[in-house]
Amino acid sequence: EVQLLESGGGVVQPGGSLRLSCAASGFTFNTYAMTWVRRAPGKGLEWVSSISDSGDRTYYADSVKGRFTISRDNSKNTLYLQINSLRVEDTAVYYCAKDVGPYGSNWCDYWGQGTLLTVSP
Amino acid sequence: SYVLTQPPSVSLAPGKTARITCGGDNIGSKSVHWCQQKPGQAPVVVIYYDTDRPSGIPERFSGSNSGNTATLTISRVEVGDEADYYCQVWDSSSDQGVFGGGTTLTVL
Repeated sequence: EVQLLESGGGVVQPGGSLRLSCAASGFTFNTYAMTWVRRAPGKGLEWVSSISDSGDRTYYADSVKGRFTISRDNSKNTLYLQINSLRVEDTAVYYCAKDVGPYGSNWCDYWGQGTLLTVSP
Repeated sequence: SYVLTQPPSVSLAPGKTARITCGGDNIGSKSVHWCQQKPGQAPVVVIYYDTDRPSGIPERFSGSNSGNTATLTISRVEVGDEADYYCQVWDSSSDQGVFGGGTTLTVL
């Protein structure tokens, strides 16, 4: 059974940093791209970032480019999202999702339950 | 960047057919995926590659994509179908994923 378990959310002040993690199990982690998607309160889903199976290709939304860094540790079956220079508008539930292919440009067939990040003074 | 446009809401009675549109420039040349998200739950893909259904998704869910509009059709809607629905594509020109703004389906 595929499982994706996000962690690392919490309350952080603007300008701070945080690292989100997503522990994956139930599939061969190093053969699939992974994606982060967020949903801010009262807003819709927003694609944030994707990473290829080996980690050599990364992609970012314009709204997070330069502040967010996606990475993965295939030896630990874990996906990460390093978030720096946090803004109030980064407040959202962050979901990790498994892509059906290796490159990150497809659809996501499994999703975690999400972790809440609140950026507040 | 590529923009996908959805109606904010669709409301109809049980048993009717819901059609949720997703507009984008020449979207027919892209692969469109549709996500369903119910309150407090993770998103679930109900249609991928324009017309395909993942296992476990009822046949009442179908999709089409042509020209500048993709459409998610839900036949014989049920109260349990109430959710937010999002279209999603990969924009290869910018190498970014894109979601539509979402459509809230209400079954009266």
